[in-house]
Amino acid sequence: EPEVTQTPSHQVTQMGQEVILRCVPISNHLYFYWYRQILGQKVEFLVSFYNNEISEKSEIFDDQFSVERPDGSNFTLKIRSTKLEDSAMYFCASSRALNQPQHFGDGTRLSIL
Amino acid sequence: AQTVTQSQPEMSVQEAETVTLSCTYDTSESNYYLFWYKQPPSRQMILVIRQEAYKQQNATENRFSVNFQKAAKSFSLKISDSQLGDTAMYFCAFTLYSGAGSYQLTFGKGTKLSVIP
Repeated sequence: EPEVTQTPSHQVTQMGQEVILRCVPISNHLYFYWYRQILGQKVEFLVSFYNNEISEKSEIFDDQFSVERPDGSNFTLKIRSTKLEDSAMYFCASSRALNQPQHFGDGTRLSIL
Repeated sequence: AQTVTQSQPEMSVQEAETVTLSCTYDTSESNYYLFWYKQPPSRQMILVIRQEAYKQQNATENRFSVNFQKAAKSFSLKISDSQLGDTAMYFCAFTLYSGAGSYQLTFGKGTKLSVIP
């Protein structure tokens, strides 16, 4: 069964550095999402992406964050200048259509030192 | 804003027994979807079951079934004949059906289920 894949599984970065988290959604999916889960807290929506543009974003998704689909397969989340509070598990998800379930990747654990 | 509450942080069940995980939600909308996702120690979040709010019939997927009480805004998950592989974190999630935009999921905090041999 096709899966959403995320790399790396764990990223350790110094505060203030830029980080790019990568996702390969399922190939025939059209809607893409990023969520994050701070340790011990809820999974929170960050952003959704469709037709090469952001559909919705949460208040967490400030100017430090950006998303891109640089080619036909990858979907990336960039954090420009990381802060300690960006430490979290980041999940990518994709769905075939709006009313279809979202399929999640394994997540990338981001640790900011 | 929509909220999802899972009041049981941890639960355990004996193998082959039945367990019910609770979820309540709050919304003023009438068209929405509810989900249960499972996150085993391997981390990948896997969809367990989905319920459309307009459907009165409770969804069922093999050993997994839901009790959807729309008026009470309750959406519990029943796992029958529990297996060791059911050990995982279970998240209840909600999304509005708006027909446009995106269907961002709102999650509960999760219930950690341990199946005991």
